[in-house]
Amino acid sequence: NAGVTQTPKFQVLKTGQSMTLQCAQDMNHNSMYWYRQDPGMGLRLIYYSASEGTTDKGEVPDGYNVSRLKKQNFLLGLESAAPSQTSVYFCASSHADLGGTEAFFGQGTRLTVV
Amino acid sequence: GQNIDQPTEMTATEGAIVQINCTYQTSGFNGLFWYQQHAGEAPTFLSYNVLDGLEEKGRFSSFLSRSKGYSYLLLKELQMKDSASYLCAALDSNYQLIWGAGTKLIIKP
Repeated sequence: NAGVTQTPKFQVLKTGQSMTLQCAQDMNHNSMYWYRQDPGMGLRLIYYSASEGTTDKGEVPDGYNVSRLKKQNFLLGLESAAPSQTSVYFCASSHADLGGTEAFFGQGTRLTVV
Repeated sequence: GQNIDQPTEMTATEGAIVQINCTYQTSGFNGLFWYQQHAGEAPTFLSYNVLDGLEEKGRFSSFLSRSKGYSYLLLKELQMKDSASYLCAALDSNYQLIWGAGTKLIIKP
């Protein structure tokens, strides 16, 4: 069982470059999430999607965009990468909103912006 | 504001018991999660509590007191593979997860 798959696993970008992080889940989950994880801080929500075609901002959306054109895919875009976006990015999915249902995480994308 | 507090690091001995505490302040409350995260890996679900009391699941137990805004994760019969970070997360009134920074647990032989 694949679960949640993120690509790429590692990426180095130059300041100002753009890129898209890809996330796919095969569990037929309605909700999907993008988090960033920085040392000494909790996971912070960037964007989430409660269903195909809908997206909402999380705690730290600036500098990012997302799309959920298909139920199984949730894409995170960096418009113009900045060193402050150096982080580990996790995609997650859950059956519904997180009322008592666990979230399943991808293996993470380690992004460095130089 | 919303806040989750948990110790940064704890050390315990193989075979012993350790309790990791978590206090939370959120706008509304719809439950508390514990996740385990090994270094360089994704978080994985351990437990969910929404009612007061203790939930036991094998060597791991989780406790919740809603009136005190407090939870703990109890790990028994510690094994070396339990060395990991343990993340506490509270679900607020908007069903958004508020995450603590995690507790790094070091197990010594």
